[in-house]
Amino acid sequence: SQKIEQNSEALNIQEGKTATLTCNYTNYSPAYLQWYRQDPGRGPVFLLLIRENEKEKRKERLKVTFDTTLKQSLFHITASQPADSATYLCALGGRAGNNRKLIWGLGTSLAVNP
Amino acid sequence: EAGVTQFPSHSVIEKGQTVTLRCDPISGHDNLYWYRRVMGKEIKFLLHFVKESKQDESGMPNNRFLAERTGGTYSTLKVQPAELEDSGVYFCASAKAGGYNEQFFGPGTRLTVL
Repeated sequence: SQKIEQNSEALNIQEGKTATLTCNYTNYSPAYLQWYRQDPGRGPVFLLLIRENEKEKRKERLKVTFDTTLKQSLFHITASQPADSATYLCALGGRAGNNRKLIWGLGTSLAVNP
Repeated sequence: EAGVTQFPSHSVIEKGQTVTLRCDPISGHDNLYWYRRVMGKEIKFLLHFVKESKQDESGMPNNRFLAERTGGTYSTLKVQPAELEDSGVYFCASAKAGGYNEQFFGPGTRLTVL
């Protein structure tokens, strides 16, 4: 069955550094991959989407890469700030029709220390 | 623009009782999804509506769960009768029609079955 693995341990970094989060998947060929942020007691909030034919996407301080050969996505937050502290979720999306559902990883907790 | 809203935010019921969760998507969003997160596990897809039609209900755990979206607007998810293993946070998300669109999540309903 499909499986998504994200950094299992919490990530602690110093303010100003770059945070890099990993998402690996098996037994699936997603049409796209999304990254979400989740704060305690709230629903996930969409950050970035990258399609299978794209290698890299950027949005402000965020960058995501997608390697369909390695079956891996990396999510980077540059110049991190304490406000970036949250859980980051990786989700894979299928193709049109019945596969629009998202398959989720467990998430990685990020703490940015001032 | 109002976001996705869910009601109630919390529900505590006893095993065997019935609970109905409600989701109001963003106006104009044809796609509506239900997800569930059980403590310690990843978010799991339950079902997907396109307008009032069930596009994919492959994630529904069993026939104790019934989802409706009358008129293609708000949706309800009824659990009857509730079991202990139904406890978790139920998220609703909506998305625009077409393409690989970001999903906008509600804050979730935390369901506790005692």
